[in-house]
Amino acid sequence: GAGVSQTPSNKVTEKGKYVELRCDPISGHTALYWYRQSLGQGPEFLIYFQGTGAADDSGLPNDRFFAVRPEGSVSTLKIQRTERGDSAVYLCASSLNLGQAYEQYFGPGTRLTVT
Amino acid sequence: QKEVEQNSGPLSVPEGAIASLNCTYSDRVSQSFFWYRQYSGKSPELIMSIYSNGDKEDGRFTAQLNKASQYVSLLIRDSQPSDSATYLCAVKSDYKLSFGAGTTVTVRA
Repeated sequence: GAGVSQTPSNKVTEKGKYVELRCDPISGHTALYWYRQSLGQGPEFLIYFQGTGAADDSGLPNDRFFAVRPEGSVSTLKIQRTERGDSAVYLCASSLNLGQAYEQYFGPGTRLTVT
Repeated sequence: QKEVEQNSGPLSVPEGAIASLNCTYSDRVSQSFFWYRQYSGKSPELIMSIYSNGDKEDGRFTAQLNKASQYVSLLIRDSQPSDSATYLCAVKSDYKLSFGAGTTVTVRA
């Protein structure tokens, strides 16, 4: 079946601009996660949703970052007033449900470059 | 986030040999452990999950878990050039994953 999809695959923006990154999880998966990966590092947790609500947003670096999942499927990560330090690959993952035994599957990522 | 440490690479092994990757974690209450493979320029791909102490085998891959020592490892038997990638250890706590920095493996033909 179809995996997690993310759009755009690449995004170049100027410092100070607003960007939106989209994630479409695997069909039927109720849990959705956002991670960020910088070069040479492992992914770093940002936020996860169970259904429509943000269950844990403790990884968001500051209030310029916000994410929504209004209908419990597609999610959008929103970054205001982008900074060069926001440049990274933003990864979305989904799992069938929450819980320790549920595996997370990653999408291809969005490479964000802030100039 | 919880700390996850992996042995520093890069790790170079000849084709057909065993590649051994190690990972330690700090959160004693973690219950779920995963290995992801990441090819250059691609996203992480799940290759193994392990939840109980002991060994778990899947094809040429064997994951080993020792919760008392807070240690998890991955063995790749009969290494192939296609196994050349970065391997990420991930530990789940409170439903979210904490990752190590990864170990890059190169299999020499």
